[in-house]
Amino acid sequence: GENVEQHPSTLSVQEGDSAVIKCTYSDSASNYFPWYKQELGKRPQLIIDIRSNVGEKKDQRIAVTLNKTAKHFSLHITETQPEDSAVYFCAALYSGNTPLVFGKGTRLSVIA
Amino acid sequence: KAGVTQTPRYLIKTRGQQVTLSCSPISGHRSVSWYQQTPGQGLQFLFEYFSETQRNKGNFPGRFSGRQFSNSRSEMNVSTLELGDSALYLCASSLAANTEAFFGQGTRLTVV
Repeated sequence: GENVEQHPSTLSVQEGDSAVIKCTYSDSASNYFPWYKQELGKRPQLIIDIRSNVGEKKDQRIAVTLNKTAKHFSLHITETQPEDSAVYFCAALYSGNTPLVFGKGTRLSVIA
Repeated sequence: KAGVTQTPRYLIKTRGQQVTLSCSPISGHRSVSWYQQTPGQGLQFLFEYFSETQRNKGNFPGRFSGRQFSNSRSEMNVSTLELGDSALYLCASSLAANTEAFFGQGTRLTVV
């Protein structure tokens, strides 16, 4: 089955700097890669997703890149703000009839 | 429209007891997945139901079971509770494959 590795597990950045979180997946047939943000005590919420026919997607300060050959995808947050502090989860979906498989999460702390 | 609703929000049980958690998906969503969240382990997949059928199952012991009703509401049951079952249990609903999964607030289960 699919396996998703996520790094780093914790990340601290200064406000205004960029943050990058990387994930690798095992199944080359995976075709959907969402990123979720979970603030303390709240539910995970989708912040951006990418499909296998696209190499990059941007939404304001966040972007996701996908390298299908290397089987990895990354989340990029620019101009970080304290409210970006949260746990971020990547996930991969192998096919329409299989569940999302999540990485173990990255705790991002943005220091003002 | 109403989001994913999980009840109860908090639960304290004694070892050996059993527990039932409920999840009401977003109206029109037929897929409901359950995840166990513990510190450092991320979101571990329990099972997924689609149109009242269990479509996928994760690597959890048989003490964990679930079902889905005709209105798409889902329940999960854990029998013979163990201390290690203490966790946040999240359910997520989605309209179809490869579309955004929406999470509920979760049920925080504490086994003493």
